[in-house]
Amino acid sequence: GESVGLHLPTLSVQEGDNSIINCAYSNSASDYFIWYKQESGKGPQFIIDIRSNMDKRQGQRVTVLLNKTVKHLSLQIAATQPGDSAVYFCAEDTGANSKLTFGKGITLSVRP
Amino acid sequence: DVKVTQSSRYLVKRTGEKVFLECVQDMDHENMFWYRQDPGLGLRLIYFSYDVKMKEKGDIPEGYSVSREKKERFSLILESASTNQTSMYLCASRSSGAKNIQYFGAGTRLSVL
Repeated sequence: GESVGLHLPTLSVQEGDNSIINCAYSNSASDYFIWYKQESGKGPQFIIDIRSNMDKRQGQRVTVLLNKTVKHLSLQIAATQPGDSAVYFCAEDTGANSKLTFGKGITLSVRP
Repeated sequence: DVKVTQSSRYLVKRTGEKVFLECVQDMDHENMFWYRQDPGLGLRLIYFSYDVKMKEKGDIPEGYSVSREKKERFSLILESASTNQTSMYLCASRSSGAKNIQYFGAGTRLSVL
């Protein structure tokens, strides 16, 4: 889920396990979604996207699932590695003036 | 690869100073954005520009202005810096194509003392 306080929620996983990061989006009119990864000291980096006419899209080691009924998006990372440790956040495109609405992010911590 | 370059990684300024944050992109993107990122608040849009000399207010424009004289460069200006403008500032750009993927710079961490 999304953070509502000063500290981001943290997901801690064992190296090699699969990770699932969840996001609840706000606007039922949103038709395009993006997952970003932000490593410490860096800007957000595009990972994967999905349009609203799809419910699943796979990339390399990552899968995004979209459930429009409950306005829920998830990012699955297979065989999580230490390099996956970062803040992950979702973004939705409502189609208004090129703007994206970003979630507050979840910290993924990978235990060796 | 898309490259968005922010001129400074770290800046320390005093209250009342005029501050310029510069951003350059090398992909001929029409749209450019300035965000600030604060703990617990996520990314908040300050201003964006969809063409040279064009600008639109985002969600939190107060205390900021922008300049886009050339397509590749988008500047954020703090006319009189205040302590509550201490933050991480992120610049992004995107093309006007079908997919709204914004590409980000590494960020500028600004401290106003």
